[in-house]
Parts: sequence; structure tokens; C-alpha cells
Amino acid sequence: QKEVEQNSGPLSVPEGAIASLNCTYSDRGSQSFFWYRQYSGKSPELIMSIYSNGDKEDGRFTAQLNKASQYVSLLIRDSQPSDSATYLCAVHGEGSARQLTFGSGTQLTVLP
Amino acid sequence: GAVVSQHPSRVICKSGTSVKIECRSLDFQATTMFWYRQFPKQSLMLMATSNEGSKATYEQGVEKDKFLINHASLTLSTLTVTSAHPEDSSFYICSASREGADTQYFGPGTRLTVL
Repeated sequence: QKEVEQNSGPLSVPEGAIASLNCTYSDRGSQSFFWYRQYSGKSPELIMSIYSNGDKEDGRFTAQLNKASQYVSLLIRDSQPSDSATYLCAVHGEGSARQLTFGSGTQLTVLP
Repeated sequence: GAVVSQHPSRVICKSGTSVKIECRSLDFQATTMFWYRQFPKQSLMLMATSNEGSKATYEQGVEKDKFLINHASLTLSTLTVTSAHPEDSSFYICSASREGADTQYFGPGTRLTVL
């Protein structure tokens, strides 16, 4: 069974700090990796996608992928209180009919 | 962009009635749409995957006769909760993918309350 593991948190960081969110996955054939942000009572919104080993930066967000270690992370620089949300890691495996496997999410709180 | 809408955003109904939820991709053609359910403080649970013009594929434990899914066009999928009961109260979220792409774009969700 394909699994995606995240530390459920809660993770608290002070405003302006770097928040580091981690995710591991079990399916070595996974091809595509996504980070979604979900505010309480709202639906997930896509933050970043990453497909190749290494770093991908978009504004204050950096996604890091290490396929050999089956590890993907999300760094949020200069964290703001508005970043407080649950962050979902999602993985698309090889030949899985476009389905994503979601982690259970990490709850992040940025303290003013 | 990739915008997905859902209607209604919130619905309250009596036990035993049926509720239809619409999911639309507004600015792209969605060959595949997904329906999820999320209970409070829990993660997303995939209910079914639907491809335009074909029958939906339901996840294990999801009753296909209770949760009717229709994906009649490249921009519209509907989920009908038949004979709803209080235990069906949940947050229902759809997502959509373009042809050949893995990225899923989520609708805003529909909060269903069954009295």
C-alpha cells in the first residue's frame, strides 16, 4: 500500500522564521510531488509541484525533493501569521490513474 | 489559471432526501475529476475518480449506489448523495485534472449537514 507520511504537528514557529515541513513516501516509483495548503474550513490550494531531484523556489516557498531518500520537504521563509494552516503533501505514483496519495497534513502555526 | 467551482457551498437537508453537488472546471477541460470527503480534523479521503464519458471508479468502502457520480462533459461532474443520513454530514470536495497532467485543482468544497 502506498503511504505518505507527515509529522502531524502542531509545528509552531515565530513570525519571520523559517518553517520546515517534511514528508516521506513509500512508493519508489513516484513521479510527481505536490504541496497543498488548507486553511481551516476551506479546501486545499496548490502551493508547489516538484518533479526532479533538488530544490524548486517560488517566492518564499522552496520545495526540496530527494528521490533516493524518498523525501520531500517544504521550506517557508519569513513565515507570516497568514501562513498558519495545515500543509498537505501529495504524491502521484507510477501508473496510479492520476490519483494522488495525500499525507495526513502538518498543522503550522506562525506566532506573531 | 485553473479554477474549479462547486455548487452549492453549503447545504442542509432532512434525513432521507437526496442532494446533488456540482463541480465545474471554469477555464480548462478536465478529463479526470475526483471526489473527496473530509471529516473534521481528518485528512482528505478519496471517494471516487471519474473520467469524462465513463463510469466512475469508487474507492473501497464507498457505496456507488449511494454516491452517484456523473461526469457528462469535460467541465462538469456531479455527485448525488442519495437518501442522505446524518452520518453523511461532511465536507465534500472535488478536484479536477487536465488531460495528461497530474496536478489536481480543488474546488472550494460543499459542506453538507443532514438533520
